[in-house]
Amino acid sequence: GAVVSQHPSRVICKSGTSVKIECRSLDFQATTMFWYRQFPKQSLMLMATSNEGSKATYEQGVEKDKFLINHASLTLSTLTVTSAHPEDSSFYICSARPHGQGNRQPQHFGDGTRLSIL
Amino acid sequence: GNSVTQMEGPVTLSEEAFLTINCTYTATGYPSLFWYVQYPGEGLQLLLKATKADDKGSNKGFEATYRKETTSFHLEKGSVQVSDSAVYFCALSDLDTGNQFYFGTGTSLTVIP
Repeated sequence: GAVVSQHPSRVICKSGTSVKIECRSLDFQATTMFWYRQFPKQSLMLMATSNEGSKATYEQGVEKDKFLINHASLTLSTLTVTSAHPEDSSFYICSARPHGQGNRQPQHFGDGTRLSIL
Repeated sequence: GNSVTQMEGPVTLSEEAFLTINCTYTATGYPSLFWYVQYPGEGLQLLLKATKADDKGSNKGFEATYRKETTSFHLEKGSVQVSDSAVYFCALSDLDTGNQFYFGTGTSLTVIP
C-alpha cells in the first residue's frame, strides 16, 4: 500500500529556532502534498497545498513566511517553521495522494510531528 | 460548497456493543467519501472508502454505505473492541475542487471492557 513517511516524529526546541519537517511518499509519486495542523481534540486544519515544482498554495490566515514549504521532487515536501514560538506548538501532519488518480483515491497520511516550543 | 458534518462525541461504549457514527455531507459535484481513524499520537489511517452512490466500504468489521439520497456515509460496526478506541474522521473529496479533502470534526470513541 501507499506509505507516507514523516520525520521527525517529535521535536522539542527553544523559542526562535527554525524547525524543518520532512514528508516523503515512499512507494508512489505525488505532485501534490498537503500540510495540516491539528490542535488537541480537534480536527485537521489544512494549512497549505504543496505543489511539486511550484509555489505552495496557502489557506487563508496561514502565514507563508512563517511556514515555508518546499516541494522539490515528486516524493518529498518539507515544511519549515521559521523562528518558532510557543504558539506554534502543535501536531503537524502531512499527506499525499498518488499522482494522476483523481478524486477516487484517498490521501495517505504521515504519522505526524509533535512540535513543542519552549 | 463542500462540507462534512459528523456526529459529535465523545462516544463511550461497552465491548461488543454496536457502533454507529453519523456523517452527512454537502458537495457540489460527485464526491468520493472516506473514513479515517486516528489512534493516540499518530497520524490518520484510511479505514474505508466509497467512490459512488450505493457503494459500501468495509474494513476490519467496519462498514459505511454511500447514500446519495440522504447525503450520508454513516460508519457502523456490529461489535466493537477495546482496540477500536480512537478518533474517527469522515472526509470527502470532490473532483470539482481538485485534490482537496474536507474533513469532519472527528468523533472520539472509547470502548470499555
